[in-house]
Amino acid sequence: DTAVSQTPKYLVTQMGNDKSIKCEQNLGHDTMYWYKQDSKKFLKIMFSYNNKELIINETVPNRFSPKSPDKAHLNLHINSLELGDSAVYFCASSQEPGTQYFGPGTRLLVL
Amino acid sequence: DAKTTQPPSMDCAEGRAANLPCNHSTISGNEYVYWYRQIHSQGPQYIIHGLKNNETNEMASLIITEDRKSSTLILPHATLRDTAVYYCIVSGTGTASKLTFGTGTRLQVTL
Repeated sequence: DTAVSQTPKYLVTQMGNDKSIKCEQNLGHDTMYWYKQDSKKFLKIMFSYNNKELIINETVPNRFSPKSPDKAHLNLHINSLELGDSAVYFCASSQEPGTQYFGPGTRLLVL
Repeated sequence: DAKTTQPPSMDCAEGRAANLPCNHSTISGNEYVYWYRQIHSQGPQYIIHGLKNNETNEMASLIITEDRKSSTLILPHATLRDTAVYYCIVSGTGTASKLTFGTGTRLQVTL
């Protein structure tokens, strides 16, 4: 009964490909987030959705497009993958913005 | 968001209390202090948060100075499993509030 789950756990792909990462939470939270953690371990927020509505959209390239089909799911689609997109992507959910529950991460490697 | 300052690393002997300091001298009146940790390769984990009173839960205690410009996270009996990077974050509570992760303190618990 994992609270926040992500698929896949690992993703290895070629430059230029399009890929999606999925996130699901069973906590009943209204808000979900995507974070990126780069090779230097800096963790930065990318997007947040509250009840399927985009709330936070940091300066992320247009190649990244989040989609929230319902408040329990937040997916991240990445077009035209670049080497610099290699990172660990974390999904999180919360009922209050400061108390977030994170998923296990998706390790993306672009070759 | 207010900025926080933490020592880059600390060591603690197993079984002893680990006291992790954080400076947040520019904190606003309505901002909370949150603590998270990230154990190697895992998603960040919420530990505790507070506004101005000291707080305690099953994981840790949070001591906030009266002027709110600094705080200390206390792990009363550190174990090897507490080895992680600990992040002190200051944030508001509005829907658009976000957690800004800094570089944190790398706590190494040793035998």
